[in-house]
Amino acid sequence: DGGITQSPKYLFRKEGQNVTLSCEQNLNHDAMYWYRQDPGQGLRLIYYSQIVNDFQKGDIAEGYSVSREKKESFPLTVTSAQKNPTAFYLCASSGEAHNEQFFGPGTRLTVL
Amino acid sequence: GQNIDQPTEMTATEGAIVQINCTYQTSGFNGLFWYQQHAGEAPTFLSYNVLDGLEEKGRFSSFLSRSKGYSYLLLKELQMKDSASYLCAVVDSNYQLIWGAGTKLIIKP
Repeated sequence: DGGITQSPKYLFRKEGQNVTLSCEQNLNHDAMYWYRQDPGQGLRLIYYSQIVNDFQKGDIAEGYSVSREKKESFPLTVTSAQKNPTAFYLCASSGEAHNEQFFGPGTRLTVL
Repeated sequence: GQNIDQPTEMTATEGAIVQINCTYQTSGFNGLFWYQQHAGEAPTFLSYNVLDGLEEKGRFSSFLSRSKGYSYLLLKELQMKDSASYLCAVVDSNYQLIWGAGTKLIIKP
C-alpha cells in the first residue's frame, strides 16, 4: 500500500537536545513538506522540498533543519535553537508542488 | 498580507445540514482545498475547487466564488463521525498553499 509514514507517533525529549523526526513516502511524489500545528491553530509550513537535494524554508524555519538525500525520505531535525518545540508535526507529499497533499499520521513532540 | 478566515467553532445537530464558510485574500489564486482533520490525526482531502460553482461529492459539497474570495463547505445528513476540524487552504500565485486556522465542528445528538 502506498502512503506516508512518520515515526514515532509520540516523542519526548529533554530541553536542549536535538531530535530528528522521520518521514518516508512510497507514493513516488517529488514534493514533500513539513508542517507544525499548535492547539487551535492551522498548519504552518516549516520547510518544503520540490526535488531531491533541494529544499526551501517555509514561514517558520528558524530552529529547524532538513535534508532530502532520497526521493522517499525527508527527515526534520528540531534543534535546541527552536524556542518552543513542543507541537504536533505533520509531514506531507504531493505529486507536483502544491497540488493535493497527502499527510502522514503526525508526530507529537513534547520537550520537557 | 495573505489571509484566510474561517469561523473558529460551529455546533450542529445530527442529521442536519451545516455550512462552513471560508473567505480569503491572497496574492493570486490557483485553487482552494478543503481538508478534514479529526483530533490528533492527519488532515485528509475532501475537495478541490478552481472554477466558480458547486462541486458535489456524496454528503459533502464545496462552493467557490473567485470574484468574492469566498468558499463554503456544505455537509448534509450530519453524522457523529463528522465531528472534526475543517481546514480551508488556498493555492496562491506562487503555488504556495496558504492554510486557514480551521473550523472545529461539534455534532450533537
